Amino acid sequence: AQSVTQLDSQVPVFEEAPVELRCNYSSSVSVYLFWYVQYPNQGLQLLLKYLSGSTLVESINGFEAEFNKSQTSFHLRKPSVHISDTAEYFCAVSESGGFKTIFGAGTRLFVKA
Amino acid sequence: GAVVSQHPSWVICKSGTSVKIECRSLDFQATTMFWYRQFPKQSLMLMATSNEGSKATYEQGVEKDKFLINHASLTLSTLTVTSAHPEDSSFYICSAREGTSPNYGYTFGSGTRLTVV
Repeated sequence: AQSVTQLDSQVPVFEEAPVELRCNYSSSVSVYLFWYVQYPNQGLQLLLKYLSGSTLVESINGFEAEFNKSQTSFHLRKPSVHISDTAEYFCAVSESGGFKTIFGAGTRLFVKA
Repeated sequence: GAVVSQHPSWVICKSGTSVKIECRSLDFQATTMFWYRQFPKQSLMLMATSNEGSKATYEQGVEKDKFLINHASLTLSTLTVTSAHPEDSSFYICSAREGTSPNYGYTFGSGTRLTVV
């Protein structure tokens, strides 16, 4: 069975500062990894995903995440955050070829002016 | 891109009544949809996997007689909360995937805020 751990429940950061949201997973098989973002009272939106190939994946709004198999991590980073990035971010994992997705507890990113 | 429509976005009901939540895939067919429950400031908890034309698969601890799931077509799954009580108040979210390839990722509905009074 897989599990996902997001070590930080909240991350406050000033606008234009860099940020890293941490995610570690455990699984006995190959996995796919995802980051989702949730704005208040809305569903989740896929931010980026790692399926195979390059371990560094990027989103269209400046976020990137790197799959590190040896450390079983998939940390999310952005070099310069905006106020509009304030949201809840969820790391998720599913077995390669599987259907079920397991979510981490979420990290609330709060960007201050 | 793939769109999942969830309705209603919020509902208030009296204790003891039933509430139906709809989840539709608008521009793709989804043989499988998922229903999640999210408590305030917590992650999503998978409640059940909805399979078109067959019975839903419920996660451990989820009462299937209380949370009725029907997946009657390739574009519609419904979740009915029967005899709702205040402790059922929560944010319910559905999701679906276009096709079987994980390249698509999962598309989520906008969620339904249920308040039972």
